[in-house]
Amino acid sequence: GAVVSQHPSWVICKSGTSVKIECRSLDFQATTMFWYRQFPKQSLMLMATSNEGSKATYEQGVEKDKFLINHASLTLSTLTVTSAHPEDSSFYICRATSGEVGIQYFGAGTRLSVL
Amino acid sequence: KNEVEQSPQNLTAQEGEFITINCSYSVGISALHWLQQHPGGGIVSLFMLSSGKKKHGRLIATINIQEKHSSLHITASHPRDSAVYICAVTGNQFYFGTGTSLTVIP
Repeated sequence: GAVVSQHPSWVICKSGTSVKIECRSLDFQATTMFWYRQFPKQSLMLMATSNEGSKATYEQGVEKDKFLINHASLTLSTLTVTSAHPEDSSFYICRATSGEVGIQYFGAGTRLSVL
Repeated sequence: KNEVEQSPQNLTAQEGEFITINCSYSVGISALHWLQQHPGGGIVSLFMLSSGKKKHGRLIATINIQEKHSSLHITASHPRDSAVYICAVTGNQFYFGTGTSLTVIP
């Protein structure tokens, strides 16, 4: 069945480096990708919405130059955390929709730890 | 006020108990989702429903559109059911509930 493959599942990096997280849709075309951030024991917080071939729409308070989102194809969206700092340590997860009403697909998430 | 409210926030049960998690929403929706998030973080979609009732194994989900309420039931609970259960709705936007943390004790 349709799946969203998210990589890496876990990454540790040094402060100041950039980290790229990928979400690939398998067996379907992800017309829209949503990127979320989740702190421990808290709900998912929407960071941005991206549609294939267009610029992402960022939620208020999310720095677009820090969290670069690319959705160049219908099967791949990437989130790059640029110049990562310890406060960027969090769980990042993507959600994809294909246009079918109501159908949601989630990535398995990426746990980012910035030292 | 959140668009999607869940109760209880935390729930501890003995293995074998029947469990109910409730969800109320305040927006118009096209679908309601029950999601499961394990400690590792990944989210699994359990149910998507827009009316009536659905059953999958020991899990049952019901929805009452008029009352804007849904319940997730787990029969014969097992420690492996321990997870966070999240109610979410598809309306003008996708709204998440705050989740219910379930711990099933052997």
